[in-house]
Amino acid sequence: EAQVTQNPRYLITVTGKKLTVTCSQNMNHEYMSWYRQDPGLGLRQIYYSMNVEVTDKGDVPEGYKVSRKEKRNFPLILESPSPNQTSLYFCASSFSGTANEKLFFGSGTQLSVL
Amino acid sequence: RKEVEQDPGPFNVPEGATVAFNCTYSNSASQSFFWYRQDCRKEPKLLMSVYSSGNEDGRFTAQLNRASQYISLLIRDSKLSDSATYLCVVNSISNFGNEKLTFGTGTRLTIIP
Repeated sequence: EAQVTQNPRYLITVTGKKLTVTCSQNMNHEYMSWYRQDPGLGLRQIYYSMNVEVTDKGDVPEGYKVSRKEKRNFPLILESPSPNQTSLYFCASSFSGTANEKLFFGSGTQLSVL
Repeated sequence: RKEVEQDPGPFNVPEGATVAFNCTYSNSASQSFFWYRQDCRKEPKLLMSVYSSGNEDGRFTAQLNRASQYISLLIRDSKLSDSATYLCVVNSISNFGNEKLTFGTGTRLTIIP
């Protein structure tokens, strides 16, 4: 089944403790992206990747890192999480990243930073 | 002005009724428009793209008005299963000069039995 898999689904951590949220897609998509969703703000793009070893900042990249060593994986890294990074996170992918393509989303990661 | 604006609702509509909501966008150069559906705390899923001439998919009709810079979604004969948040999505240019998709905050729809 074609899908985007995110893990974990829920994560509670404390300020400053490094964490990684994994994202993997099995559709051979070139484009992958991370979003965060907060009440009243909609989905905001954190980082995106057009292909292996190519990553770029989205609208809200501060406090996050990403890597794209393989086509299928695009982990989101929080080196020193802070409470303002408490949010619902979604990974998404599409075939080539052009604006008229359908985005496939993972099931989300609810992160709470205490 | 926000790049993409939606009435957050909630819209509470009886089953079988017709409901419509709009979304306005600020960038007149935008070319790609979509409606995504999101169930509570779940991932967004593409409902339909919006084409210049308007398009229909079963009970759903999407329209684009370039002059007034808005898109609309019409749902006929609404079902309980239509209860969800509907996200308007428009392409635009990011602060870094590249093309991106901008999501509205969503319109919450509840269909009442």
